[in-house]
Amino acid sequence: GDSVTQMEGPVTLSEEAFLTINCTYTATGYPSLFWYVQYPGEGLQLLLKATKADDKGSNKGFEATYRKETTSFHLEKGSVQVSDSAVYFCALSERNQGGKLIFGQGTELSVKP
Amino acid sequence: GAGVSQSPRYKVAKRGQDVALRCDPISGHVSLFWYQQALGQGPEFLTYFQNEAQLDKSGLPSDRFFAERPEGSVSTLKIQRTQQEDSAVYLCASSLTDFNQPQHFGDGTRLSIL
Repeated sequence: GDSVTQMEGPVTLSEEAFLTINCTYTATGYPSLFWYVQYPGEGLQLLLKATKADDKGSNKGFEATYRKETTSFHLEKGSVQVSDSAVYFCALSERNQGGKLIFGQGTELSVKP
Repeated sequence: GAGVSQSPRYKVAKRGQDVALRCDPISGHVSLFWYQQALGQGPEFLTYFQNEAQLDKSGLPSDRFFAERPEGSVSTLKIQRTQQEDSAVYLCASSLTDFNQPQHFGDGTRLSIL
């Protein structure tokens, strides 16, 4: 079945450092790919998405590019802030499965001032 | 309301009791999803509705789990004869349609079985 694998956390960075959170997937079809974020005490929010190969999703300074050849969707940000501290989830959705999301296990990011 | 609303926020029950968790989706959203999130893990799909039709219940862990959405709006997830392994956060999400539409999540119900 379909699955998503993320790099394990927690990841601890200093403010203004470069962030990469790795995400790879296996899928039977041609999925859409998502990054969701969960800030402390809040619900899951969509951060960005990409629906086809080579698409780049971006939001709030975060970017991820859909790489079909490497089945990856790594999340990057050039300069993290303390307010980016949260848990990040990579997820996929396949057209023939009604839109249900399959999530990775999550990566906790902690940014120190 | 403006977002997906779930109630109760917290539920404590004794093993063997039945529980019911409620989800109020965003008005007009056709699709509704239930997920289970164990501590330190990503959410796992339980079931999916399109309007009142339950189109996929492949993620329900056992026949003790039952979900309904009788009028195509509010949904209830019921767990019968609860067991300790049912302790988790139960998340509800809704979307305007299904594939490729963003899912909007509620804050979840944290269920603890003693």
